[in-house]
Amino acid sequence: EPEVTQTPSHQVTQMGQEVILRCVPISNHLYFYWYRQILGQKVEFLVSFYNNEISEKSEIFDDQFSVERPDGSNFTLKIRSTKLEDSAMYFCASSWERGLTDTQYFGPGTRLTVL
Amino acid sequence: EDKVVQSPLSLVVHEGDTVTLNCSYEVTNFRSLLWYKQEKKAPTFLFMLTSSGIEKKSGRLSSILDKKELFSILNITATQTGDSAIYLCAAGSQGNLIFGKGTKLSVKP
Repeated sequence: EPEVTQTPSHQVTQMGQEVILRCVPISNHLYFYWYRQILGQKVEFLVSFYNNEISEKSEIFDDQFSVERPDGSNFTLKIRSTKLEDSAMYFCASSWERGLTDTQYFGPGTRLTVL
Repeated sequence: EDKVVQSPLSLVVHEGDTVTLNCSYEVTNFRSLLWYKQEKKAPTFLFMLTSSGIEKKSGRLSSILDKKELFSILNITATQTGDSAIYLCAAGSQGNLIFGKGTKLSVKP
């Protein structure tokens, strides 16, 4: 069964460093998403991406964040200068349609720890 | 402000019990209501509901949506220890999902 994959599973970085989280969505899906979940809190939407551009983004997704689909398979989230409060589990998700009539399938997540 | 509220926040039952998890929502441009099960890491999809009053079933799990009263329930019958997890409710709005805090279900043998 096709699934969303994410690498790495755990990333530890120093405050102020740049990190890139990688995702490979399900191959025939067209819409891609990033969510985050701070430990003990709810899953929060960051950004959605379609046709090589951002469709929507939340207020969390400020100028420190960027997304890219550098090739036909990868979808990345970059955090330019990490802060302590960026420590969270980051989930990538993908869907065939824009969440209206289809579900979003989640990857296993990348746990980001900022020291 | 869009919000999704789940209740109870946690629940402890014994194997064989039936449980009902609740989810209410206030979301602009509501499109769909989704239930996910989160064990150790990623939320795994259970149901997507778009129409009122139509029950969806998968084995011992079932769910229904009431778009007039803005809520959904997830039922689990004959619970098993493997059902222990956090159950997440999410409302779909313009393509992104707005999640509730989840209900932590613990099923004791």
